[in-house]
Amino acid sequence: DIQMTQSPSTLSASVGDRVTITCRASQSISSRLAWYQQKPGEGPKLLIYETSTLESWVPPRFSGSGSGTEFTLTISSLQPGDFATYYCQQYFYYRAFGQGTKVEIK
Amino acid sequence: EVQLVESGGGLVKPGGSLRLSCAASGFTFTNAWMDWVRQAPGKGLEWVGRIKSNADGGTADYAAPVKGRFSISRDDSKNTLYLQMNSLTTDDSAVYYCSTEGGDPWRGYLDHWGHGILVTVSS
Repeated sequence: DIQMTQSPSTLSASVGDRVTITCRASQSISSRLAWYQQKPGEGPKLLIYETSTLESWVPPRFSGSGSGTEFTLTISSLQPGDFATYYCQQYFYYRAFGQGTKVEIK
Repeated sequence: EVQLVESGGGLVKPGGSLRLSCAASGFTFTNAWMDWVRQAPGKGLEWVGRIKSNADGGTADYAAPVKGRFSISRDDSKNTLYLQMNSLTTDDSAVYYCSTEGGDPWRGYLDHWGHGILVTVSS
């Protein structure tokens, strides 16, 4: 099975900060990586798929990059609505999620 | 508008069984690959399993922790997805989400999600 590891587990940041979350796969997953945003009490929402393609609702301050085993989610200027938990997910071989990164207010 | 509505959750004793349903609307369910994902209280997302469309073979695949105990099925005439859960343990307590898979031709990201249904396994 493919294991997904996110870092950091928690990230403290301020509005306006540039934020980067890393996701590593235990083996190559090509570009088959998605990112989700989850806010407390809500279900997850698809943010990015195929490593870098933004869903229609996602503002351009979000971006995704990487290939193979290392991927990043970047928020260029953190906004109040971005404080949430973010998960990566591979879909190269079955499916598996990272353990999540909570972005909290500093 | 895509809608996924889970039902059938509740309290069950260890060793017991439960069947979850997910009623789908707003898209062509017959063509959809569907997944179940769960989230234990205060924990992260865990993939449970996926069923392909009948046109693609209709087979289901499962995560290791549930393989042999859980079974995913679908009734395309009712636009409904099912998750049969047997031999439940306290580790299976979670909110269970159904979701659709996006992507063409390579599917696998989860583009629509239900609101989730709580399953509690406790004596």
